[in-house]
Amino acid sequence: DAGVIQSPRHEVTEMGQEVTLRCKPISGHNSLFWYRQTMMRGLELLIYFNNNVPIDDSGMPEDRFSAKMPNASFSTLKIQPSEPRDSAVYFCASGWRRFSGNTIYFGEGSWLTVV
Amino acid sequence: DQQVKQNSPSLSVQEGRISILNCDYTNSMFDYFLWYKKYPAEGPTFLISISSIKDKNEDGRFTVFLNKSAKHLSLHIVPSQPGDSAVYFCAASGEETSGSRLTFGEGTQLTVNP
Repeated sequence: DAGVIQSPRHEVTEMGQEVTLRCKPISGHNSLFWYRQTMMRGLELLIYFNNNVPIDDSGMPEDRFSAKMPNASFSTLKIQPSEPRDSAVYFCASGWRRFSGNTIYFGEGSWLTVV
Repeated sequence: DQQVKQNSPSLSVQEGRISILNCDYTNSMFDYFLWYKKYPAEGPTFLISISSIKDKNEDGRFTVFLNKSAKHLSLHIVPSQPGDSAVYFCAASGEETSGSRLTFGEGTQLTVNP
């Protein structure tokens, strides 16, 4: 079975450029999450979607960050303009939301370096 | 406000011995807890979970214990193997407070020495 697929795996970009990270969740899952991992803050949730609808975007650091989920099989996280402090690993995860708990499965991550 | 805390950033054990990783939480509305393992340059992988209606869940060498009154959970790995060396994250969720989102601890680096 295909897991969560993220692209690109690695991205190096110059400050001020637009960055778009992509995610294909596991087929059949109805929840999708974007996490960011940094040394200082560990794994922090940026935004999550249920049935393609954004539910909680309180973790999005500022207006430079935006996320979309146009359909059940695709999501993007966009940073415009990018800054060096955005350098981190960005993980996408998906799961099946149910009342009694939610196990989510992560992609391999997109390693972003902004210089 | 760190609702899930792993106070030990690192743990080192000998191969064959027991590894015990600890996690504390503050939100009493959390009702589902998970452990993830992460190798360098890979995404976290789901390891084991436990619902708040239980106090123990076992899967092979891995056992998770939940003490609701103390708001504490632990992961036991017996026997530990060098391949278990990784960062372990505990996570928690609660339908009432956060829906399907998971709140993660900071992680504990486990090193199993041959």
